[in-house]
Amino acid sequence: NAGVTQTPKFRILKIGQSMTLQCTQDMNHNYMYWYRQDPGMGLKLIYYSVGAGITDKGEVPNGYNVSRSTTEDFPLRLELAAPSQTSVYFCASSYPPIYEQYFGPGTRLTVT
Amino acid sequence: GQQLNQSPQSMFIQEGEDVSMNCTSSSIFNTWLWYKQDPGEGPVLLIALYKAGELTSNGRLTAQFGITRKDSFLNISASIPSDVGIYFCAGPTGNQFYFGTGTSLTVIP
Repeated sequence: NAGVTQTPKFRILKIGQSMTLQCTQDMNHNYMYWYRQDPGMGLKLIYYSVGAGITDKGEVPNGYNVSRSTTEDFPLRLELAAPSQTSVYFCASSYPPIYEQYFGPGTRLTVT
Repeated sequence: GQQLNQSPQSMFIQEGEDVSMNCTSSSIFNTWLWYKQDPGEGPVLLIALYKAGELTSNGRLTAQFGITRKDSFLNISASIPSDVGIYFCAGPTGNQFYFGTGTSLTVIP
């Protein structure tokens, strides 16, 4: 099993550009999550999904969108990139017990 | 949102020493988890605690779920260089998930 994979690993965006961060898991987990981690800080939940077709906002959803059309994939969309979205983005998945999350390697995004 | 405060913020210890860190919340949690994050990687789950007062070990790591449900503790015994990293506590409220501010551990050989 590859676990949780994320692409790209690094990306530089100009202000106002859009992009999609990809996340795929091959563990058949129902739950998937997107977090952002700012330098020297803990992780903050952006969006989560409890199954295909179901998504909900986390603590910091503004400026992001998600979709969950399959169990495996949970892409995160940035529509109008802003410097405040410079961060490292982590995708995670879990299966009951739902709290034991497996994380991907992260995507380091810089918006200039 | 919830605030999970970890202390100390950073620790510098000699190899072989024991380490203690804690995590406190202003709200009650029914589950506490401890993660370790190596530089440039995603967090890895170390220990999960599901019951107040619970004491759980994973090798040299021991974690406790505080009786008040507002705190948790992680101890590492006989530290080794590969223990270096950032340790996070985390807890869920419903399907929301909150991470602590982290404790950075440096082990000096």
